[in-house]
Amino acid sequence: QVQLQESGPGLVKPSETLSLTCTVSGGSVSSGSYYWSWVRQPPGKGLEWIGYIFHSESPSYGPSLRSRVSMSVDTSKNQFSLKLSSVTPLDTGVYYCARGGAVGPVDYWGQGTLVTVSS
Amino acid sequence: SYVLTQPASVSVAPGKTARITCGGNNLGAKGVHWYQQRPGQAPVVVISFDSDRPSGIPERFSGSNSGNTATLTISRVEAGDEADYYCQVWDTSSDHVVFGGGTKLTVL
Repeated sequence: QVQLQESGPGLVKPSETLSLTCTVSGGSVSSGSYYWSWVRQPPGKGLEWIGYIFHSESPSYGPSLRSRVSMSVDTSKNQFSLKLSSVTPLDTGVYYCARGGAVGPVDYWGQGTLVTVSS
Repeated sequence: SYVLTQPASVSVAPGKTARITCGGNNLGAKGVHWYQQRPGQAPVVVISFDSDRPSGIPERFSGSNSGNTATLTISRVEAGDEADYYCQVWDTSSDHVVFGGGTKLTVL
């Protein structure tokens, strides 16, 4: 059974960088079979795809966040990470790491982690 | 960028059939996935690739996709089906994942 777990600060100050890590168990992030995604959800609003990373290829980022986002994979720790720079209160929300989204559906999700941007 | 449009809300009485639509340009040419999200929980896929039902999803859930509209159909609606539902595609022209805005299903 694949499990994903997000970790990182729950509170980030405006203009700083939000950093989250997703630890994967029961599967390998280095597998060439799956895309590893980040999705966020502002309070009371819908799902927003942030981006995905696939094997050794360049990540793909959503258009609204592309200028502030970067993703990476650490195969030695079986983790993938998200960095979102220059955050504002509009970046507050639950951040999910997930498997899939491209080609096939998201079949596994992390439990989600609430990140609040506030001074 | 590709846009998926869903109604904000759908209401249905218990035991009746709920239909939630998802609209997009030439959507029938893409594979549509549907997710159910209950409050405080991560989404769960209920339909993949237009009409495939993952293991563990009741047969009451079905999907179709043609032209510019995909539809999630929930038959014999139960109180436990009350949730937010999202459609999703992969836009191969941009390599982007796209979610619809979500539909809140209310069971009357």
